[in-house]
Amino acid sequence: DQQVKQNSPSLSVQEGRISILNCDYTNSMFDYFLWYKKYPAEGPTFLISISSIKDKNEDGRFTVFLNKSAKHLSLHIVPSQPGDSAVYFCAASYRIYNQGGKLIFGQGTELSVKP
Amino acid sequence: EAQVTQNPRYLITVTGKKLTVTCSQNMNHEYMSWYRQDPGLGLRQIYYSMNVEVTDKGDVPEGYKVSRKEKRNFPLILESPSPNQTSLYFCASSLEGSNSNQPQHFGDGTRLSIL
Repeated sequence: DQQVKQNSPSLSVQEGRISILNCDYTNSMFDYFLWYKKYPAEGPTFLISISSIKDKNEDGRFTVFLNKSAKHLSLHIVPSQPGDSAVYFCAASYRIYNQGGKLIFGQGTELSVKP
Repeated sequence: EAQVTQNPRYLITVTGKKLTVTCSQNMNHEYMSWYRQDPGLGLRQIYYSMNVEVTDKGDVPEGYKVSRKEKRNFPLILESPSPNQTSLYFCASSLEGSNSNQPQHFGDGTRLSIL
């Protein structure tokens, strides 16, 4: 059962435009969400996160939106740059004593930003 | 330089031959974790450790063992590898567990092929 889903395997965007990556989740116990970026032959690197008590978090060109009622979050990149081309993973976790260390990832979305 | 180091980076081996993938971090992090990445499935957590001598199962622990005898090291052991364990493996560490604003730092990955 995939608790965190990224339904778009790939996304292509023109340089300078907005990239919107989407993520849906099923477990209402999740209370922390993170986005990671991954380049080929490298490990994932942290991009941005959001606590479930917020609905928006912004860091430079990156903004994450959380809609708890819809169990949906999205990552906006504005403006998109060719260096943003990578695989983006959405991840979620929840705090229960013996499961506080679990992090559930989505399948990933490959973003291609064309010059 | 703060980093998570995995060895080996690549390994081709045969079914049933015990192998160990090492993971070491130099950031004095409490939390460490192992993931495997497979096409269409994203990253799935194998095992994690909240602290020395404390380990717990992730979502796909079958066929794997771990140990955390010291803070910096978290080896992944495949006692009797099988072809379905062919995958790309990532080790990660963070100051605290996944449910916090301390993101995980990932190693560059180990590509295992079990023939």
